[in-house]
Amino acid sequence: AQKITQTQPGMFVQEKEAVTLDCTYDTSDPSYGLFWYKQPSSGEMIFLIYQGSYDQQNATEGRYSLNFQKARKSANLVISASQLGDSAMYFCAMRGISGSARQLTFGSGTQLTVLP
Amino acid sequence: EAGVVQSPRYKIIEKKQPVAFWCNPISGHNTLYWYRQNLGQGPELLIRYENEEAVDDSQLPKDRFSAERLKGVDSTLKIQPAELGDSAVYLCASSFYTNTGELFFGEGSRLTVL
Repeated sequence: AQKITQTQPGMFVQEKEAVTLDCTYDTSDPSYGLFWYKQPSSGEMIFLIYQGSYDQQNATEGRYSLNFQKARKSANLVISASQLGDSAMYFCAMRGISGSARQLTFGSGTQLTVLP
Repeated sequence: EAGVVQSPRYKIIEKKQPVAFWCNPISGHNTLYWYRQNLGQGPELLIRYENEEAVDDSQLPKDRFSAERLKGVDSTLKIQPAELGDSAVYLCASSFYTNTGELFFGEGSRLTVL
């Protein structure tokens, strides 16, 4: 079984500052992928970034980077130079490669508020 | 390119009434998912289709929920009869076989059961 844990229900960050959203995971799959999604108040889930378990380098997409520490089973999202539009719910998710593990399993989310 | 389309966006019904949600995935996406998201929580998978075959429906409450994807394209999720606890947002997503295989979500259908 897969499990995603996000321990920060809410986070605040000042505009233009960087923020780290925590995510830890547990799986028995030897190969898996880790995802971060953003959900604004409109409700749509927006894909942000992906990290494969065998990728040697941490993933980056613009202002988003994923701090992947495989031994610690953590996949933290770092948002640099926060903008007001970054205020949203952020979900960490993972997917394995076999059977039911191929579904995307989500954490409980972190509500990020960017302060002006 | 059109995204995942869901309808209706909002639905309010009384308990014991039936309700249906429709989803049209991104063209060419062979995998379709239905998720349920309760307020303040992450989405939870209800059912996953690979083309027209339901390959993972272990979390679908089969006594009242049903789903179909007859031609491997659009899909319908039905609840009959609805209960108060079914109030949630029902999200449809689709994906294609790529290296990352990220899911693309629709805007969701918000159900309120009174």
